[in-house]
Amino acid sequence: GDSVTQMEGPVTLSEEAFLTINCTYTATGYPSLFWYVQYPGEGLQLLLKATKADDKGSNKGFEATYRKETTSFHLEKGSVQVSDSAVYFCALSSTNTGNQFYFGTGTSLTVIP
Amino acid sequence: NAGVTQTPKFQVLKTGQSMTLQCAQDMNHNSMYWYRQDPGMGLRLIYYSASEGTTDKGEVPNGYNVSRLNKREFSLRLESAAPSQTSVYFCASSVIAGAPYEQYFGPGTRLTVT
Repeated sequence: GDSVTQMEGPVTLSEEAFLTINCTYTATGYPSLFWYVQYPGEGLQLLLKATKADDKGSNKGFEATYRKETTSFHLEKGSVQVSDSAVYFCALSSTNTGNQFYFGTGTSLTVIP
Repeated sequence: NAGVTQTPKFQVLKTGQSMTLQCAQDMNHNSMYWYRQDPGMGLRLIYYSASEGTTDKGEVPNGYNVSRLNKREFSLRLESAAPSQTSVYFCASSVIAGAPYEQYFGPGTRLTVT
């Protein structure tokens, strides 16, 4: 069935470092892809999304491009801040999943000053 | 505009006790969901309601029941709690079930079963 796999954490970076969190997906159809962020003690918030191949989602300096040829949706940010410390989840949804969401296991990011 | 609200925020139960987790949304969304979050497992769907009057099982429905009380409210009931149900529970809603519509999440309920 459809699924997402994201890189294991935890990830620790210094402030202003470049961030990449890898996410790959398996899908028989044409899913929509999402990145959610969870700050400590809170629920998940949508960070960005892309609904078709070659779309780029962006928000708050984060970007991810929907790459059908490599079945990937990697999250990137050029210069992380301490406030970016959180858990990041990749997710997909498509008609093949019965319109349900499937989430990756999450990647914990800690940014140190 | 409160978004998705959940009560309670924390709960401790003894094995065999029952309880109901409450969820409400004020965004006029049609679809609502219950997930559980366990370390290393991501989020797993327990039940969802694509529209008022309908409910369907998700990936891990055993031990749970749900009620879509009206368009705003979707409750999750544990009839006889077990330690394996210790988890963080999230309610979510979306305009319509499925792509490309994103889901909006509540703050979660942290449940411990002893």
